[in-house]
Amino acid sequence: DTGVSQDPRHKITKRGQNVTFRCDPISEHNRLYWYRQTLGQGPEFLTYFQNEAQLEKSRLLSDRFSAERPKGSFSTLEIQRTEQGDSAMYLCASSLNNALNTEAFFGQGTRLTVV
Amino acid sequence: GESVGLHLPTLSVQEGDNSIINCAYSNSASDYFIWYKQESGKGPQFIIDIRSNMDKRQGQRVTVLLNKTVKHLSLQIAATQPGDSAVYFCAEAGSWGKFQFGAGTQVVVTP
Repeated sequence: DTGVSQDPRHKITKRGQNVTFRCDPISEHNRLYWYRQTLGQGPEFLTYFQNEAQLEKSRLLSDRFSAERPKGSFSTLEIQRTEQGDSAMYLCASSLNNALNTEAFFGQGTRLTVV
Repeated sequence: GESVGLHLPTLSVQEGDNSIINCAYSNSASDYFIWYKQESGKGPQFIIDIRSNMDKRQGQRVTVLLNKTVKHLSLQIAATQPGDSAVYFCAEAGSWGKFQFGAGTQVVVTP
């Protein structure tokens, strides 16, 4: 396992279409995060999982966004009825958390362009 | 609300010189801090971390300093190289689990 893997790397979609992204974390990591990043900004928190449980979801995340991590391994992020404002880099990260926070390792991201 | 921010949006440094990137955080409950480096089109790459029970931590060519009194974090890069050109982010975390990022500092290394 060489790190966090995200698929696809790039996605162009028409407004109104649904898209789904996949993230495969580092295998022994129990925590998985989704972030969104726009040009010139820092990553913005969307949601995170501890094993299969979704522990927090950002208030910025509309009902069109849903994330799952059904078996506590890979995760998917779905955006329904995409809008141009959804265009961004979607980053996944994972970490091994026990009693203390540890470093989160990021994937290369999925760049979404909504046209 | 609580936030993490950076003082300088762009830092230009001559090759071979030392770089210092600063970060201010406002959440006093944060107990874990990370510096990330991000190159264009790539995900953030972990550089170094520090916990709130420490003031200083050193890595290879990098040093992170934490001043809890003034809620300030800095990253020092020794002998800056062209490959250090990137955007640098600080991130904070606490018992709530998620990482919160600042806006980033663009470091430009000039020959």
